[in-house]
Amino acid sequence: SAVISQKPSRDICQRGTSLTIQCQVDSQVTMMFWYRQQPGQSLTLIATANQGSEATYESGFVIDKFPISRPNLTFSTLTVSNMSPEDSSIYLCSVEEQSGEQFFGPGTRLTVL
Amino acid sequence: EDQVTQSPEALRLQEGESSSLNCSYTVSGLRGLFWYRQDPGKGPEFLFTLYSAGEEKEKERLKATLTKKESFLHITAPKPEDSATYLCAVYGGSQGNLIFGKGTKLSVKP
Repeated sequence: SAVISQKPSRDICQRGTSLTIQCQVDSQVTMMFWYRQQPGQSLTLIATANQGSEATYESGFVIDKFPISRPNLTFSTLTVSNMSPEDSSIYLCSVEEQSGEQFFGPGTRLTVL
Repeated sequence: EDQVTQSPEALRLQEGESSSLNCSYTVSGLRGLFWYRQDPGKGPEFLFTLYSAGEEKEKERLKATLTKKESFLHITAPKPEDSATYLCAVYGGSQGNLIFGKGTKLSVKP
């Protein structure tokens, strides 16, 4: 399976600032996704990161708040903009392999004060 | 509405005490059901994929089964290192995305 890394692994940010999270995969993959896992909750899909085109956002998530880049088949970024304490979560990127199975990165733990 | 429900929310076992975790789903056009293990502070680790009713898969002390309405993750003679949150997810439904349950937090005491 693909090896996925994320940076940073954790951060503490002030309200109103923005944070960009990076996701790097060790092989080319077509499908990359960004998820949020709020404390005590399960994973919620934020968007599908499309290479060469705009990301596809799920209901309740908008590009202005969570801009996503996907410059190539091994890399993507998620920015959490104008943060509030409600954005404190673990943010996870994942990739889907040809088998249809999804594999996840280690996550970025974000705390907003 | 597409939905995945896991039970129990938490399960405490003694080492060696076998048990099962349940994942029930209501999804149109199921294309796959996945089990993941998640340790605190880490991303989910893939365990199994099941595609059709009657299918079973095994890995060490874990065995996953699938029916048309639910899946079970059987844990045989668990060890403390099996302590983790186990997540179930289904692929399919009206939006064709991966839909996660809230997980079962398993604690195995020595």
